[in-house]
Amino acid sequence: EAGVVQSPRYKIIEKKQPVAFWCNPISGHNTLYWYLQNLGQGPELLIRYENEEAVDDSQLPKDRFSAERLKGVDSTLKIQPAELGDSAVYLCASSPMGQETQYFGPGTRLLVL
Amino acid sequence: AQSVAQPEDQVNVAEGNPLTVKCTYSVSGNPYLFWYVQYPNRGLQFLLKYITGDNLVKGSYGFEAEFNKSQTSFHLKKPSALVSDSALYFCAVRVFNDYKLSFGAGTTVTVRA
Repeated sequence: EAGVVQSPRYKIIEKKQPVAFWCNPISGHNTLYWYLQNLGQGPELLIRYENEEAVDDSQLPKDRFSAERLKGVDSTLKIQPAELGDSAVYLCASSPMGQETQYFGPGTRLLVL
Repeated sequence: AQSVAQPEDQVNVAEGNPLTVKCTYSVSGNPYLFWYVQYPNRGLQFLLKYITGDNLVKGSYGFEAEFNKSQTSFHLKKPSALVSDSALYFCAVRVFNDYKLSFGAGTTVTVRA
């Protein structure tokens, strides 16, 4: 079974530029999560989807961050414009509906210069 | 509010010796507890979880963890550590009716040959 796929794996951009991350969850997993992981810290939830519906986006900074999961499968997380403090690892995870365990992708490491 | 504490930033052990990584938690209600491992430049890999039942939980790669309700702890253990166990370990908690996982800051494990 293929795991959670994320791309790109690494991204370097200048501040004020836009950036987008893509995630393809494990096949059949209805729930999709985006997390932010700062250096030396544990992941923090940004947004959770049940199918195509964002059911928890309370931690998403909506002034610059947006996300979508139009067909209830893959998802895109966007930052516009990026700031220096956005440098971090962005993790995507998925789980079957109603299941406790979340399965994580390899993450996208973003560096904003 | 729920939270996780991993009191040790680093744990160093010799190969073949027992390994323990400590975790304490705070939640309102019954906890669901998880351990994940993260290797360099990779996402989090699920090791094991406690939902209900037997307090001793066995997981992947020979790891186990013991749930202790009175001490609000969920320490990760391995009887005989391997050099390949060197990685970053995260403890996480959630409650039954909330999908939000709260992670600890992580513990870096180094197993020397």
